Amino acid sequence: GDSVTQMEGPVTLSEEAFLTINCTYTATGYPSLFWYVQYPGEGLQLLLKATKADDKGSNKGFEATYRKETTSFHLEKGSVQVSDSAVYFCALYNQGGKLIFGQGTELSVKP
Amino acid sequence: GAGVSQSPSNKVTEKGKDVELRCDPISGHTALYWYRQSLGQGLEFLIYFQGNSAPDKSGLPSDRFSAERTGGSVSTLTIQRTQQEDSAVYLCASSLGGSGSMETQYFGPGTRLLVL
Repeated sequence: GDSVTQMEGPVTLSEEAFLTINCTYTATGYPSLFWYVQYPGEGLQLLLKATKADDKGSNKGFEATYRKETTSFHLEKGSVQVSDSAVYFCALYNQGGKLIFGQGTELSVKP
Repeated sequence: GAGVSQSPSNKVTEKGKDVELRCDPISGHTALYWYRQSLGQGLEFLIYFQGNSAPDKSGLPSDRFSAERTGGSVSTLTIQRTQQEDSAVYLCASSLGGSGSMETQYFGPGTRLLVL
């Protein structure tokens, strides 16, 4: 079945460091791909998405490119801030309605 | 407009009791989803309602779990004879509905369930 694998955390970075959180997927057909973020004490929020190969999703300085050849959707940010500390979830949406999530990666940014 | 709301925000119950969790989706959204977020299991799909179609119950972990959606809006997730392993955060999400790959699901704040 469809699945998502993302790098394990926690990831600890200093402010202004470069961030990469790896995400790979297994799916039939042409899924849509998402990154959701969960800030401390808050609910899941959509961060960005991409719906077809080579699409780049971007929001709040974060980017991810849908790479069908490597079945990947890695999340990147050039300069993280303390306020980016959160848990990040990679997810795919295929047919059938449900989102399939990765395990989540906890990011901690230190000043 | 208002986002997805869930109640209660926290629920503590004793093993063997039944619990009901409520979800109010975004107005106009025809699709509604329940997920469970627990330590060690991540985020798991439970059930999906789309309009008047029969729900997709493929993610419900046992027959102690059931859900209904009345009038195409509010949904209730019921867990009967709760077990300690049911302790988790139960998340509800809604989306506009319909087919296609553009679906974005909007999540509520969740209900944190603790079974003692």
